[in-house]
Amino acid sequence: EVQLVESGGGLVKPGGSLRLSCAASGFTFSSYSMNWVRQAPGKGLEWVSSISSSSSYIYYADSVKGRFTISRDNAKNSLYLQMNSLRAEDTAVYYCARDRGGWELPDAFDIWGQGTMVTVSS
Amino acid sequence: DIQMTQSPSSLSASVGDRVTITCQASQDISNYLNWYQQKPGKAPKLLIYDASNLETGVPSRFSGSGSGTDFTFTISSLQPEDIATYYCQQYDNLPVTFGQGTKLEIK
Repeated sequence: EVQLVESGGGLVKPGGSLRLSCAASGFTFSSYSMNWVRQAPGKGLEWVSSISSSSSYIYYADSVKGRFTISRDNAKNSLYLQMNSLRAEDTAVYYCARDRGGWELPDAFDIWGQGTMVTVSS
Repeated sequence: DIQMTQSPSSLSASVGDRVTITCQASQDISNYLNWYQQKPGKAPKLLIYDASNLETGVPSRFSGSGSGTDFTFTISSLQPEDIATYYCQQYDNLPVTFGQGTKLEIK
């Protein structure tokens, strides 16, 4: 079964750090670009970051650039998001999502994890 | 950034109705447009990619059309399990952006 499972969410104080992980199974992880997409409580979807299959191409939303770092370990079938200098507005469910198209740039997100909640509050 | 505007923001319809949602891009995005369904407490699910292509396993009552700046998503005969929020998403330019969502309810 094709599956993505996120972990690492939790409650963190403003200015703090958190590292999210996403474990992939059921497909050849190293062949796909991957993404992080977030959703603030009661709000819509916001793309956060993308990484190509070999980590050669990495992109960020302006709202997280310089604070968040996306990475992957193809040997471990895992995707990561290191989040530093967290703000209240980063509070959201964070989803990892597989890119359907296999290009360097993100396109359609065809497989999603269940999400992990990040709450930034004092 | 490319702005994606969906209408309506919410919609109430009866089982069996034909339902249409529109999505307008702030600039030409060719056919680089996808549609997702999100049920409460669940992750989004890809329904339509490249404006009009049905994702594998998605029922044929769902369809999409359009190109350039104007796109349409249609459910030909609404079923109770279609109650969800629907989002369009463009990938012509970074950042990838989503519409604000259309919440679909049963009348």
